[in-house]
Amino acid sequence: EAGVAQSPRYKIIEKRQSVAFWCNPISGHATLYWYQQILGQGPKLLIQFQNNGVVDDSQLPKDRFSAERLKGVDSTLKIQPAKLEDSAVYLCASSSLRAGRNTEAFFGQGTRLTVV
Amino acid sequence: AQSVTQLDSQVPVFEEAPVELRCNYSSSVSVYLFWYVQYPNQGLQLLLKYLSGSTLVKGINGFEAEFNKSQTSFHLRKPSVHISDTAEYFCAVRISNFGNEKLTFGTGTRLTIIP
Repeated sequence: EAGVAQSPRYKIIEKRQSVAFWCNPISGHATLYWYQQILGQGPKLLIQFQNNGVVDDSQLPKDRFSAERLKGVDSTLKIQPAKLEDSAVYLCASSSLRAGRNTEAFFGQGTRLTVV
Repeated sequence: AQSVTQLDSQVPVFEEAPVELRCNYSSSVSVYLFWYVQYPNQGLQLLLKYLSGSTLVKGINGFEAEFNKSQTSFHLRKPSVHISDTAEYFCAVRISNFGNEKLTFGTGTRLTIIP
C-alpha cells in the first residue's frame, strides 16, 4: 500500500513570495491533515479535512495561508505572501474512518520550507 | 482544552541501557494516546497506540507504553536501546469534541544513544 505522498521535499523562497505544497493521501482515507512543524517543536495542526469539507482550521493563519481538498482526495496548501517565521516542515497526514472514528494518522515525509 | 506535556526535551542513554520517555496529558474526556517516532529528515511513524483495553501497549522496535489514567500519563519504555533508536519521539493525544477529532502533539523528546 502506498503511503502519503508530498511534494516538493524542499523549497527555498524569498519573503513575500508565494509557495504551494501538494499532498496525496493514502487511497480511501477520508481525513487529511496539514501540520506545521517548526524546528525544535512538535507538529501543530493547521487544517483538518474530512472528505472535501473543513473540520478544523482554527490555527490556520487565514490572512496568508489557504488550503483546499478538491474531490476529497489530493490537497494543496498555499502560503501567500510568505514570512520568515513560516520556515518549517509542513507535514501532511491521512487517516481512515471506522465506525465514525478516525484510525491512527499516517504521515508523509514532509516539505521543508526555508524563507530567506 | 487538551494538551500534551513531554517533560524531557533531550534524553541521552548508553547503548543497551533501559530508557523511559515521559508523557502527561490533560483532558476532561476519554482520550486516545499515541507515540510517534521521527528519524532525521523523515515524517512521523507510529510506534504504538492506546485506544482501549489493556493499559500496557506494545509497539514496534521493542517499545512499550503504559496508560495510567489516575496519573494522566502515557510513558514510553524500552528495556535495552540500540544506536538505531536515536530519533525524536512525540507523544500525541486525540479526543472527540462534538464529532471533531483533533490530534495534538507534545513538543518532542530527542533520544540520543551513546555507544
